[in-house]
Amino acid sequence: EAQVTQNPRYLITVTGKKLTVTCSQNMNHEYMSWYRQDPGLGLRQIYYSMNVEVTDKGDVPEGYKVSRKEKRNFPLILESPSPNQTSLYFCAIGGAGSTDTQYFGPGTRLTVL
Amino acid sequence: LAKTTQPISMDSYEGQEVNITCSHNNIATNDYITWYQQFPSQGPRFIIQGYKTKVTNEVASLFIPADRKSSTLSLPRVSLSDTAVYYCLVIGTYKYIFGTGTRLKVLA
Repeated sequence: EAQVTQNPRYLITVTGKKLTVTCSQNMNHEYMSWYRQDPGLGLRQIYYSMNVEVTDKGDVPEGYKVSRKEKRNFPLILESPSPNQTSLYFCAIGGAGSTDTQYFGPGTRLTVL
Repeated sequence: LAKTTQPISMDSYEGQEVNITCSHNNIATNDYITWYQQFPSQGPRFIIQGYKTKVTNEVASLFIPADRKSSTLSLPRVSLSDTAVYYCLVIGTYKYIFGTGTRLKVLA
């Protein structure tokens, strides 16, 4: 079964302190993506990657960066976190095509003070 | 990208059949309709997917009329553990748009 690992699972940080949330997969999927989930707003896609070194913006990319140097990993980078980035973050694999199921990681709850 | 509309919340009792309808008026020819389930503080989990007519698996059924402008997720004989948020998505290529989903509460 598809396994998506995120670290850390919980993080409390302060405004402006750079952080990285890691995401790794065991399925060799080409397609990976990041979402944030906020009350009343559902899940919104931040960035996605179609393959190594190929990334594109989702619906809410401002304030985030990603990299895809190897197929297995897709880290989410917050260069200068702000309180409005306090959210629950999910990494997902798969979903490249209409019939390609997406599998989600366990989530990372981030609080920016 | 097709936008979906579904009820914000529903209540049901254990053992009943639950039907959640989703409208997607602007669905494109190549789009598929997919439903996900999400429990609190967990990532969404795939339930079922279809293109037209009816699809059934061990968990649910999905009914899609000929014009494909709506779809209905049917959960037979729900239990307390089916309490969750259910998302209807219309998926083309690469971009998933989840919306706010339907919060289903199953009562004893």
